[in-house]
Formats: sequence, structure tokens, C-alpha cells
Amino acid sequence: GAGVSQSPSNKVTEKGKDVELRCDPISGHTALYWYRQSLGQGLEFLIYFQGNSAPDKSGLPSDRFSAERTGGSVSTLTIQRTQQEDSAVYLCASSPDGASYGYTFGSGTRLTVV
Amino acid sequence: DQQVKQNSPSLSVQEGRISILNCDYTNSMFDYFLWYKKYPAEGPTFLISISSIKDKNEDGRFTVFLNKSAKHLSLHIVPSQPGDSAVYFCAASAGLRGNTPLVFGKGTRLSVIA
Repeated sequence: GAGVSQSPSNKVTEKGKDVELRCDPISGHTALYWYRQSLGQGLEFLIYFQGNSAPDKSGLPSDRFSAERTGGSVSTLTIQRTQQEDSAVYLCASSPDGASYGYTFGSGTRLTVV
Repeated sequence: DQQVKQNSPSLSVQEGRISILNCDYTNSMFDYFLWYKKYPAEGPTFLISISSIKDKNEDGRFTVFLNKSAKHLSLHIVPSQPGDSAVYFCAASAGLRGNTPLVFGKGTRLSVIA
């Protein structure tokens, strides 16, 4: 597609349930990033994939969070045993080659844990 | 500990006047800086950037100034237009093309009043 696509756009889940958030990056972009924006906060880095390299997981807040990127394209962010503090907008971005400019963001998934 | 700080959560400016959005950073390794603009329910979009070898970069109505000694940058919008109303995020990177994820501030909500 022309842009970064994220699904679902909105997700309401009960505390303790697992959720999966999906990101389709721009075709050909080798770098993919996940960020989240909690209420009143900035964009918090979660995880970064670049080509075939091992992902940079340094931003994941706990071991309940994991992400994978299959075939160098689609990425899935999984949150297990969701907590209310996980409520946030989860944003995915891709860039052509891991350069620090040229991020294209998706519209995000708004996750609400009730 | 926030490495990129936007101390003004909001700013209100009259149409036609100058908008000045400020950003401070603490990490002296940062050498590339970007501004992103975000409308509600959309992902952030890249606006303008500056490398640490420069102190000014201009693109139409938008100018970014960098003061390395003060670890401070600012975004000037002149003249401001109602369509500029959005949240503006400052972002920084330690190494152009260094494969390091961008670090974002909390954002400043700009309201341009007609």
C-alpha cells in the first residue's frame, strides 16, 4: 500500500486478556518501529526491526510485551495479560533503511484496557 | 529520565502571527533533530529536520533553529495558519543513519486562532 497500515484502529479489551496489534509497513522499507503514546506522554519507543538483524527490544516495558516481524514485512505486537496501564495509542512506523529521518507512521491502534 | 523535553504542553497564537515551539535535550550525543506534526486520529508526519552541523534550516513558513551550546532547538512558523493547529513533537537521534530509534518529546499542542 501507499502508507503504513495498522489494525485494528481501536481495541477494547478486558484486563488480563491478550491482544495482538498488526502493522503493515510500506513495501520495501527495511526498518520498522513500534512506539506508544500514553495519555499526556510523548512517543515512547518500544521495539525496532532492521532488515535481518536482531531486533532492538530495549524499549519493551515488560516481558508481557513481544513483537515479531515475519518475512521482513508485517509485524505483530503482542501484549499478554493486559493491564490498565497498557492503555495507549500504539504507533508503528517504517523507514527505507533505518536512517533517522524518513519515518512514516501509521494512524495507530488505540488500545483501551477495562 | 526525559532526554528530549518540550516544556510547554500547549500554545495559542493568532492567525498571521509567529508561532515558536521550543525543545530542549540533555544527551550531547544527539546530532540530528526533527519536528513531527500530528493531527487527531492520525500518525505523526515529518515536518522539518536539522543536522548538528547547521544552526538553521528553513522550509517555506517553517524554520528550525539549533543552539548546540544550550542544547536547545526551536520551530518557528510564520505566518501561522489555522491549519497549523496540531500537536508538534520534537525528536532527536544519536547518529544520522546510525540505526538508532528517534527519541521524542511529549509534544506541544498548537492552536492557531482565526
